[in-house]
Amino acid sequence: QSALTQPPSVSGSPGQSVTISCTGTSSDVGSYNRVSWYQQPPGTAPKLMIYEVSNRPSGVPDRFSGSKSGNTASLTISGLQAEDEADYYCSSYTSSSIVVFGGGTKLTVL
Amino acid sequence: EVQLVESGGGVVRPGGSLRLSCAASGFTFDDYGMSWVRQAPGKGLEWVSGINWNGGSTGYADSVKGRFTISRDNAKNSLYLQMNSLRAEDTALYHCARASYSHYYYGMDVWGQGTTVTVSS
Repeated sequence: QSALTQPPSVSGSPGQSVTISCTGTSSDVGSYNRVSWYQQPPGTAPKLMIYEVSNRPSGVPDRFSGSKSGNTASLTISGLQAEDEADYYCSSYTSSSIVVFGGGTKLTVL
Repeated sequence: EVQLVESGGGVVRPGGSLRLSCAASGFTFDDYGMSWVRQAPGKGLEWVSGINWNGGSTGYADSVKGRFTISRDNAKNSLYLQMNSLRAEDTALYHCARASYSHYYYGMDVWGQGTTVTVSS
């Protein structure tokens, strides 16, 4: 199975919005709402930011939002803050009954 | 406090075996699906294997299928990963992660700090 496709890097200035895309296929992102997003600052364990496409766990700021259209899911971070600088990964359940991650996107806050 | 603590990592020769363990505390272990996720040095996350709340459903990445076996002991609040026929490309930090509900396909909301596996001759 192939990993989901994410841009290697994105950047934005404080206060701006950025969107990270996650492209899969009709066998994963396109068929299931089991899409999640994770934040991983350097040297730390990943943290769940979005689950089931657009739901935020308690404690995650509402600046983080998720959506999906067809085979592509997106994570949008609005009102960018310095503390948002991290690697971000998407994941999806697939028709093979497994989970796949995207390759990861490095977010730089300028 | 909700916590996952991995153990069992180490240095092993190619073709060797290791058994990883994950001790869960602070929550009702048998309510949740669980997964193993690894991260090679400087690389991204790779889902390795998952198991649902009662062990009745499991899944494996193609890269480990037939070599790794996931299991759980709900009476001991523990998750395991038996790794056989290890290869250099299995070298990584292995995290145990809790799914947010009963099946492993739900988002993973609790993560351990990981245990390091190094496969080298």
